[in-house]
Amino acid sequence: DAKTTQPNSMESNEEEPVHLPCNHSTISGTDYIHWYRQLPSQGPEYVIHGLTSNVNNRMASLAIAEDRKSSTLILHRATLRDAAVYYCIPVNRDDKIIFGKGTRLHILP
Amino acid sequence: GAVVSQHPSWVICKSGTSVKIECRSLDFQATTMFWYRQFPKQSLMLMATSNEGSKATYEQGVEKDKFLINHASLTLSTLTVTSAHPEDSSFYICSAKYLSGNTIYFGEGSWLTVV
Repeated sequence: DAKTTQPNSMESNEEEPVHLPCNHSTISGTDYIHWYRQLPSQGPEYVIHGLTSNVNNRMASLAIAEDRKSSTLILHRATLRDAAVYYCIPVNRDDKIIFGKGTRLHILP
Repeated sequence: GAVVSQHPSWVICKSGTSVKIECRSLDFQATTMFWYRQFPKQSLMLMATSNEGSKATYEQGVEKDKFLINHASLTLSTLTVTSAHPEDSSFYICSAKYLSGNTIYFGEGSWLTVV
């Protein structure tokens, strides 16, 4: 399984953009990069995923480095409801999802 | 979007009894479901991979005779914690993978308290 490195925690002000980094230098060529988030006392929620190109959806954007060894999840305008633990996970199509420690995002009002 | 539902959302049981947690994919078929356990302030720990119609694959250190997993249909997997003890108290989470997709959706989780 590819190993990931994420900051333990980050803070951001409400209504400002947030950039959550993730290093996955051992990622294989067929691994997708998935991002999930977990709000307190809830199951993880899918945020976004990508392979090589940058991706956008209604929740966030995913910027993937050209060498695929890192990626950044971008929340364009953070709200208090975005406070959660964010997990970056390389996922092979036929494989299981293994969670690391993730980044705890605090949003300041 | 795709929905995975767990039942019950919370349960309290007496030490020594067994408790069953259900995981259903409500609007898609899932050949593979995963079961996780999460202790307070920790990350999710994968317990087992459940494949429809076959035996579950357990992660190292997870007792298969204690955590019985059944995946009898493409929309339902169950986890039974047998002879529960207080140390089994935890947040149990399931996830289901699209039949032919690359996205995995998670249930809301089930809190188990063993007293």
